[in-house]
Amino acid sequence: GQSLEQPSEVTAVEGAIVQINCTYQTSGFYGLSWYQQHDGGAPTFLSYNALDGLEETGRFSSFLSRSDSYGYLLLQELQMKDSASYFCALRDSWGKLQFGAGTQVVVTP
Amino acid sequence: EAQVTQNPRYLITVTGKKLTVTCSQNMNHEYMSWYRQDPGLGLRQIYYSMNVEVTDKGDVPEGYKVSRKEKRNFPLILESPSPNQTSLYFCASSPPGGQTYNEQFFGPGTRLTVL
Repeated sequence: GQSLEQPSEVTAVEGAIVQINCTYQTSGFYGLSWYQQHDGGAPTFLSYNALDGLEETGRFSSFLSRSDSYGYLLLQELQMKDSASYFCALRDSWGKLQFGAGTQVVVTP
Repeated sequence: EAQVTQNPRYLITVTGKKLTVTCSQNMNHEYMSWYRQDPGLGLRQIYYSMNVEVTDKGDVPEGYKVSRKEKRNFPLILESPSPNQTSLYFCASSPPGGQTYNEQFFGPGTRLTVL
């Protein structure tokens, strides 16, 4: 099985950098994904790491270390619109997906 | 427009009254999935389908049924709803293979209340 842990909330000011960690326990998986969800909305895909290392997509970057069972999402140059919940997710070889409980990011002026 | 649609968006029902939430995608995706979202618990997978006529249980399948008779549709059936199934439900789909397999497209959600 697999379980994912992430912090429940992170607060930061506009322009700052925020790192959301995701630690997991699993016997095997295909990759780590990240999703963003604004209040009242549907989750939207942000990033995916199949291999160890850093993936950069604009202001957002994601990192995976399989040896440490750990990944993170890095939000740079924070903007007010980045206030949302962020979820990490793992998919196993059978197609089953598991999400973390989510991290609420609060951006203050 | 490429999208995942769900109906109804809001539903209030009573215990024991069978209901179906429909999900449809127009992107020719093979993988489809249902999730429920409850405060503090994130998204929990109910059922998923790798392709037509292939369905598997997620983490919380009890009290739910699904079917996948055609690629575009993946309805969620609650045969005898109970109050603990009050939740926000999301349907999602993703294309087959590689990195894109991990990019799920979510529907707008269905808020279900069971009295």
